[in-house]
Amino acid sequence: SAVISQKPSRDICQRGTSLTIQCQVDSQVTMMFWYRQQPGQSLTLIATANQGSEATYESGFVIDKFPISRPNLTFSTLTVSNMSPEDSSIYLCSAQHGTSGSNEQYFGPGTRLTVT
Amino acid sequence: AQSVTQLDSHVSVSEGTPVLLRCNYSSSYSPSLFWYVQHPNKGLQLLLKYTSAATLVKGINGFEAEFKKSETSFHLTKPSAHMSDAAEYFCVVSGSNQFYFGTGTSLTVIP
Repeated sequence: SAVISQKPSRDICQRGTSLTIQCQVDSQVTMMFWYRQQPGQSLTLIATANQGSEATYESGFVIDKFPISRPNLTFSTLTVSNMSPEDSSIYLCSAQHGTSGSNEQYFGPGTRLTVT
Repeated sequence: AQSVTQLDSHVSVSEGTPVLLRCNYSSSYSPSLFWYVQHPNKGLQLLLKYTSAATLVKGINGFEAEFKKSETSFHLTKPSAHMSDAAEYFCVVSGSNQFYFGTGTSLTVIP
């Protein structure tokens, strides 16, 4: 298994500013992912954080808006840039051992972001 | 392409009665399927997973799910609901190195 922590747990930010969310895993993992969960909605994958290379973004998400770092096998950051109220969401980090589709993902508690 | 459809957005049961949360999937190959639970203001917790072994999968907290290929279904059940089961439940299919989430089912348990 893996235990994931995220910082901050919540934040209220002004529009036009940026926020960096940290994700720490208690063991080395192969895959790390970032999701967005808008109020009352399901999870939408933003990107796969690749260790040592650029993240892989899903359709509708771009690096300039959501830059991601993954410097090692236990840590990743997601930055939400030039924020607008539409970015108000819960942002979740997840991790997976191995690359098999049969392996579960472990989720962090989420970061609740409100943009005013 | 992979996708899941959760047939009920809200389910309400009385405490002590059975729970049934329905999920249909679409997959171009033999799928891996998961059920996750999300309690209010918490992260997602894995309840159970199916990975082509036994078709009846037992999970935590008394939940189980049955994989039915002919019906492309993976419904989640529990014989007797507890107040602590009130939460959001997500059915997930994996494919192409990512998870595809259903829209979620909100379970209410009435005392």
